[in-house]
Amino acid sequence: EPEVTQTPSHQVTQMGQEVILRCVPISNHLYFYWYRQILGQKVEFLVSFYNNEISEKSEIFDDQFSVERPDGSNFTLKIRSTKLEDSAMYFCASWGATEAFFGQGTRLTVV
Amino acid sequence: SQQGEEDPQALSIQEGENATMNCSYKTSINNLQWYRQNSGRGLVHLILIRSNEREKHSGRLRVTLDTSKKSSSLLITASRAADTASYFCATNAGGTSYGKLTFGQGTILTVHP
Repeated sequence: EPEVTQTPSHQVTQMGQEVILRCVPISNHLYFYWYRQILGQKVEFLVSFYNNEISEKSEIFDDQFSVERPDGSNFTLKIRSTKLEDSAMYFCASWGATEAFFGQGTRLTVV
Repeated sequence: SQQGEEDPQALSIQEGENATMNCSYKTSINNLQWYRQNSGRGLVHLILIRSNEREKHSGRLRVTLDTSKKSSSLLITASRAADTASYFCATNAGGTSYGKLTFGQGTILTVHP
């Protein structure tokens, strides 16, 4: 069964450093998303991406964040200067005909 | 406004019992979905119910949707220890928010063997 894959599964970074989280969505999907889940809290929408541009973003998705589909298969989330409060699980998803398929997530720990 | 608020926040039952989780939302939706998350893992899609549907079944899962009350329930029948997980409802508004999901806080279900 096709699946969304995310790498790395866990990343530890120093505050102020840049991180890039990577995702390979399901190949024939056209809509892609990033969500985050702070420990013990609900899953929050960050951004949606369609036709090589952002279609919607939340207020969480400020200038520190950017997304890219550099090569037609990978979908990346970059955080330019990480803060302690960016520590969370980040999920990538791609949308099929009726449902979202989520990756296993990247646990980002900012120290 | 808060979308997809579940109750109870935590539910503890014995294997074989039924588990019912409820979800309320505040704005109009295109569909509502239920997801499961094992501790520290990814989200697994369980079932989707459209705004024009009232009830849907999938195996041991039964979902209802009452758009007049803006609420949904997920029933897991004959629960198993392996059903222990967090369960989230997520609403999709459709339209220009195609595919975007708004999640609730979730219900932590513990099924004791």
